[in-house]
Parts: sequence; C-alpha cells; structure tokens
Amino acid sequence: SQTIHQWPATLVQPVGSPLSLECTVEGTSNPNLYWYRQAAGRGLQLLFYSVGIGQISSEVPQNLSASRPQDRQFILSSKKLLLSDSGFYLCAWQSGRANEQFFGPGTRLTVL
Amino acid sequence: GESVGLHLPTLSVQEGDNSIINCAYSNSASDYFIWYKQESGKGPQFIIDIRSNMDKRQGQRVTVLLNKTVKHLSLQIAATQPGDSAVYFCAENISGGGADGLTFGKGTHLIIQP
Repeated sequence: SQTIHQWPATLVQPVGSPLSLECTVEGTSNPNLYWYRQAAGRGLQLLFYSVGIGQISSEVPQNLSASRPQDRQFILSSKKLLLSDSGFYLCAWQSGRANEQFFGPGTRLTVL
Repeated sequence: GESVGLHLPTLSVQEGDNSIINCAYSNSASDYFIWYKQESGKGPQFIIDIRSNMDKRQGQRVTVLLNKTVKHLSLQIAATQPGDSAVYFCAENISGGGADGLTFGKGTHLIIQP
C-alpha cells in the first residue's frame, strides 16, 4: 500500500532563517506531487505541483521554492523565511491515472 | 483562490442527528468530486468520491449527492458521532484536465454537541 511521509512534524524558525521541508511517498511510482499551505481556520492553497523529477510548477508567486530530486521525494524550501510563511504545510500525491489526492500528516511551521 | 482567505463556516449538530454539509462548485466542466475530512492538526483524509455520471453514492454512514443542474454537492453523515467532528472539504476536478489537480472548496467545520 502507498504511504506518504512528511517531516518535521513541527518547526519553529526565526524570521530570515532558511527552510527545508521534506515529503516522501512509498508504494507508488511516478506520482504527481503537491505542496499546499493552510493558514489557521482557512482552506487549502496550492503552492507547487510536480509531474516528474525536476519538473516544478508554481501556482502563486511567493518566498518559497520546491524541488523534486527523486521520483518520490518533494522538497519545499526557502532562503529567508517571512512571518507570513507560518502555516500548516501539506504534501499530497496523486496517481497520474486517477483523480483523488492523498495527503501527508502535515508540518506545522511557526515563524517568529 | 477564494477558499483560501475566508474563515470556515461552522455547522453544529447534536450527537446522533444526521449532518448535511453543502458545497457549491463553479466549473460546469468538473466531472469528479471528492469529500475530505480533516481532523485538527492532521492532513485531509479521503471520505468518498462521485463522478458526474452519478447523482448519489453511498458509503459507510456517508452519502454524497450531486446536483449538476445547480452545481451543488452535499455530504450527508448519518447518526453523527463525536469522532465526526472535523473540517470537511469538497474538491472538484476535470478528468484529464491536467496535473494541477483538485480545486478545493472553503471547508465547513462540523461541531458535535453531546
């Protein structure tokens, strides 16, 4: 069966510090991968998606970047965090042949 | 998108009653719909889906109804239990419409009263 992992689960970082969040998927190959951000009490905002290694599409201009160095690995990064980067970050995967997305457990990021 | 900036609406129901959560979608080309449940501090979990060639689909204690005429989707939860307390999101997609994936609704916070 397929599983999706995210780490860390919780992160507190100072403004101006770098960021690296990691997402890995097991049990599937060549998935579409997604990064979402969710502010407290809000809906899901799609940040990036990837259909293959090295292929990244950005949905909104922002202080973040994404990379996909391996088929089942998706990384969300920032060189300098802003207060507004605080939120709950969710990674999701989708089979290229299906419509449903499956979400990871999320990373709670607090920028102080 | 619009769903991102709005505070979530709240639905409060008595334990044991049925819950109905509604969702309106805007893209008439959407042909696939999903309901997700998100408990506090966790990622959304798939509950049930429905394709546009159906009007109704039933799962365990849940039923999804699709009205394509008015672009409306609903999730019915029978005999609501405390464990049903969560935020519920609808999502829509166009099959073969590209990898940018699902469009999520704004979510509804379901609160169960004892």
